[in-house]
Formats: sequence, C-alpha cells, structure tokens
Amino acid sequence: ELKVEQNPLFLSMQEGKNYTIYCNYSTTSDRLYWYRQDPGKSLESLFVLLSNGAVKQEGRLMASLDTKARLSTLHITAAVHDLSATYFCAVGRDDKIIFGKGTRLHILP
Amino acid sequence: DGGITQSPKYLFRKEGQNVTLSCEQNLNHDAMYWYRQDPGQGLRLIYYSQIVNDFQKGDIAEGYSVSREKKESFPLTVTSAQKNPTAFYLCASSEGLSGELFFGEGSRLTVL
Repeated sequence: ELKVEQNPLFLSMQEGKNYTIYCNYSTTSDRLYWYRQDPGKSLESLFVLLSNGAVKQEGRLMASLDTKARLSTLHITAAVHDLSATYFCAVGRDDKIIFGKGTRLHILP
Repeated sequence: DGGITQSPKYLFRKEGQNVTLSCEQNLNHDAMYWYRQDPGQGLRLIYYSQIVNDFQKGDIAEGYSVSREKKESFPLTVTSAQKNPTAFYLCASSEGLSGELFFGEGSRLTVL
C-alpha cells in the first residue's frame, strides 16, 4: 500500500529564513507532485517531478526528488509572508495519486 | 477558458438524503479524480477514472458512487450510507498518468 508522509506538519518561521519540507513515500513511484493550498481554497500545482535527481525551481521554492531514498524535498529560500500556506506532496503509482497530510507553513513578518 | 468546474460551491443536506456533486472539465483530459478533505487534513482519494465508462474505487469509496458516461463529466453522489459526509470535496483531472492534477474550486458539503 502506498503511504505518503510529510514532515513537519506545522512550521512557523521568520521571514528571510531558509527551511525544508520533507516528503517520504513507502513504495516505488514514477512521479511526485507538490501543491499549495491557501485557506478555504483549492489546490494549485507547484511542481511535477518525474525522474530520479529531478530538481525544479520557481522563485523562492525548489523541489527535488530522490527515488532511491523515496524522498522529495521542498526547500524555501529567504521566506516571505506570501508563502504562508499549506503545502502538499502527492505520489503517483500506477493510476492512483496519493497525498500526504500537508505542511502548514506560517511565516512571521 | 479551459478548466474544471465544480458545482455547487456550497451545499447543505439533511441526514438521510443523497446529494450529487457535479464536476465538468473542458481540458480534454482522460483521467478524473474525486478527493475528500477534512479540516486540517490531507486529501483522501474517493474514486478515479482513467477512461469513459470505467472507474475504480479509491481508499474511501464506501458511501459514495460515481459515473463516467462522458469524457468531460465525472459526478459524485454522496449517499445516505456515508456516515460522516460533511467535508470539502475536490475534483481533479489530468492528461495522462504522468500529468499534473488540475483541481476545481471544490464543493463544501454540510450535513445538518
């Protein structure tokens, strides 16, 4: 059974600091996704990672994938308040896509 | 504009009633999904469909039913058998197995 674990589940950090969110999954997978959700809203796609060693960057966010370790990271550089949201990783296996519980990120000014 | 439309946005229902949530997409995507989100929780997969007239149960299918008669449409019925239906329901679609999921705006169901 495919399981996806994120940590931490809650993160409060100061503006300007760097931090990393971790996503571990239990079985082999051929694709991994990162999404952002603002309170009361739907999900917005951030990154799709399809191969071992894949790295993608958009602004202050960078995602990477290590399929051998079954680990993806979402790194936040010099955080700003606008990045406050809940971040989800999701893992695809065959025709299912399973989500982690999300990391609620609160960035303090 | 291309996208996914869910309706209604808010829905109130009495216990014992069935309700149907609509999901329509004009992205020409083959795959469609239904997820449930409870407050402070992640998304849990209810049903998914990779092709018209075919669908599979996800992790929490009990008390729900779906149909996929058209490529564009994937309605979800929350039946009276669902013990705790109050939740935020999200519909998504993707072009293929490797594609990113595009989400609708969601439907918030409250059982009174």
